[in-house]
Amino acid sequence: QITLKESGPTVVKPTQTLTLTCTFSGFSLTTSGVGVGWIRQPPGKALEFLGILYWDDDKRYSPSLESRLTFTKDASKNQVILTMTDVDPVDTATYFCALRRRYCSGVRCQFGSFEIWGQGTVVTVSS
Amino acid sequence: EIVLTQSPGTLSLSPGERATLSCRASQSVSVSNLAWYQQKSGQAPRLVIYGASNRAADIPDRFSGSGSGTDFTLTITRLEPEDFAVYYCQQYGSSPYTFGQGTKLEIK
Repeated sequence: QITLKESGPTVVKPTQTLTLTCTFSGFSLTTSGVGVGWIRQPPGKALEFLGILYWDDDKRYSPSLESRLTFTKDASKNQVILTMTDVDPVDTATYFCALRRRYCSGVRCQFGSFEIWGQGTVVTVSS
Repeated sequence: EIVLTQSPGTLSLSPGERATLSCRASQSVSVSNLAWYQQKSGQAPRLVIYGASNRAADIPDRFSGSGSGTDFTLTITRLEPEDFAVYYCQQYGSSPYTFGQGTKLEIK
């Protein structure tokens, strides 16, 4: 069974650095073709893709947040860490991590969508 | 960046009716890398459709997806009470993997 769970502070002050951890089970980030993505959702608003970290340490960030975001992994602990610097009240949101995998049919391989999500963790940026 | 526009914003229907949700992309979505997610209040999104037309695991066959290029549709035949939720489309072929703004499917 595959599960993901986000954890971290519930309240962060403006200008501080936010660190969130996604702890997962049922798959390994050392397996070729595996990625863990981050998505957030401000209260009452739509989902926003933040970025993704792959098994080979390749990363993709949302251009609007790239200067403030860093993803790292600790494969031995089955964790992916999101670090966001200089937070602002507009960063108040529920933050989700999700699994993305590559599927191959014969010689053709393709990455899938975000197939399994964590429950999300609520982060409020307020002084 | 590919912008996804969903319509309508809100769809009011009764159980047993048919729902048709639309997702239009600002540029062609490669290899039909288009997914639909269902999100109920206070819950994480759940994958419903991937590859534009493939049902995810445990999704009933009243859900179907279609489309290619820039125009995609999620159809739910014979709405059940548990189908009322917010639905998001997402393109995952070109980073950043953007989402639409969502369609709220509500009980009439």
